[in-house]
Amino acid sequence: SQQGEEDPQALSIQEGENATMNCSYKTSINNLQWYRQNSGRGLVHLILIRSNEREKHSGRLRVTLDTSKKSSSLLITASRAADTASYFCATDGAGGYNKLIFGAGTRLAVHP
Amino acid sequence: DTAVSQTPKYLVTQMGNDKSIKCEQNLGHDTMYWYKQDSKKFLKIMFSYNNKELIINETVPNRFSPKSPDKAHLNLHINSLELGDSAVYFCASSQYEQYFGPGTRLTVT
Repeated sequence: SQQGEEDPQALSIQEGENATMNCSYKTSINNLQWYRQNSGRGLVHLILIRSNEREKHSGRLRVTLDTSKKSSSLLITASRAADTASYFCATDGAGGYNKLIFGAGTRLAVHP
Repeated sequence: DTAVSQTPKYLVTQMGNDKSIKCEQNLGHDTMYWYKQDSKKFLKIMFSYNNKELIINETVPNRFSPKSPDKAHLNLHINSLELGDSAVYFCASSQYEQYFGPGTRLTVT
């Protein structure tokens, strides 16, 4: 079964707007990671947030983690058409070996 | 300078055949993975090797057999292919975050 569940499943916005995607998970984690997948391509790692961190920034990306609610959010500010992709959260659980469990993803479309 | 490469990129074959997908990483990572992404984009881990040793083996049919000749390579061999094996297969490697290959789109007819 999927560990992470993203919402919304699909998001359509205009360039310049912010995009927020949410992820919920079920079990304890060591860290949570966000990945981007452009159509027909492999996944690209965006950001990793550890279980003892609450917020992390990288460029136009802001990730929050609330372990009490078992949820995370990814905010992309000032979106661009090139941000159009699917975004996946993945949890690295306490079992070790960096075994990632991926959510179903959010498909983001940014219109010029 | 490709970090994680897979061959072939596309594979079309008939049911019952045996096929292999190769993966190589030049990042010096100790751990490599195989994932399967189905038509609904669900990405699920299949196997993981750490330094040529199998460490993760999810519930995958015995027809799938990974082989790691060295820590830079992790190949996936599939026997007696079935229609349900059609998917995109991704290789990845990691120290912490995972680096993914471009994927192999397998179509079984």
